[in-house]
Amino acid sequence: QKEVEQNSGPLSVPEGAIASLNCTYSDRGSQSFFWYRQYSGKSPELIMFIYSNGDKEDGRFTAQLNKASQYVSLLIRDSQPSDSATYLCAVNNAGNNRKLIWGLGTSLAVNP
Amino acid sequence: EPEVTQTPSHQVTQMGQEVILRCVPISNHLYFYWYRQILGQKVEFLVSFYNNEISEKSEIFDDQFSVERPDGSNFTLKIRSTKLEDSAMYFCASSVSAADSPLHFGNGTRLTVT
Repeated sequence: QKEVEQNSGPLSVPEGAIASLNCTYSDRGSQSFFWYRQYSGKSPELIMFIYSNGDKEDGRFTAQLNKASQYVSLLIRDSQPSDSATYLCAVNNAGNNRKLIWGLGTSLAVNP
Repeated sequence: EPEVTQTPSHQVTQMGQEVILRCVPISNHLYFYWYRQILGQKVEFLVSFYNNEISEKSEIFDDQFSVERPDGSNFTLKIRSTKLEDSAMYFCASSVSAADSPLHFGNGTRLTVT
């Protein structure tokens, strides 16, 4: 059974701090990794995607991928109260790029 | 920015009834998907659709479910004879391509089966 695991949190950080969210996955052949943000009762919203080992930066967000250790992380710099949401990690099913396997998500609370 | 649209936003139905959830994917996208999320649980893949046929379906997507692209814009999910456990948020998504292409989600339909 292919799994994606995340710490459910809640992760609480003060405004302006760096929030670090982690995700591990079981399928060593996974190729693509996605971070989505989900506000309560809403649909997932794509934040970032990463395909290669290393770091990928987009504004305040940095995704980090380590395929050898099978983990992917998301750093949010200068956290804002509007960043408070659940962050979902999704991984493609190796051998089938159309089907994402999802983590349960980490709840982030940014305190003003 | 183009977006995936879903209707209705909330559907209440009685157990045993049929429901049709509707989606309009982004116009230049070629791959379409249905996912669902039971309250408090993980997002789950249901089915992917390309070139007017199902590409892959999950174990959840049994004979109770069907998908259709009746015209050039709509993509529908039909659930026959709904069960209580079908209550969930149903998300439609689309992508430009299959390989590594990020999914863009609609706002979802909350299905409540009573």
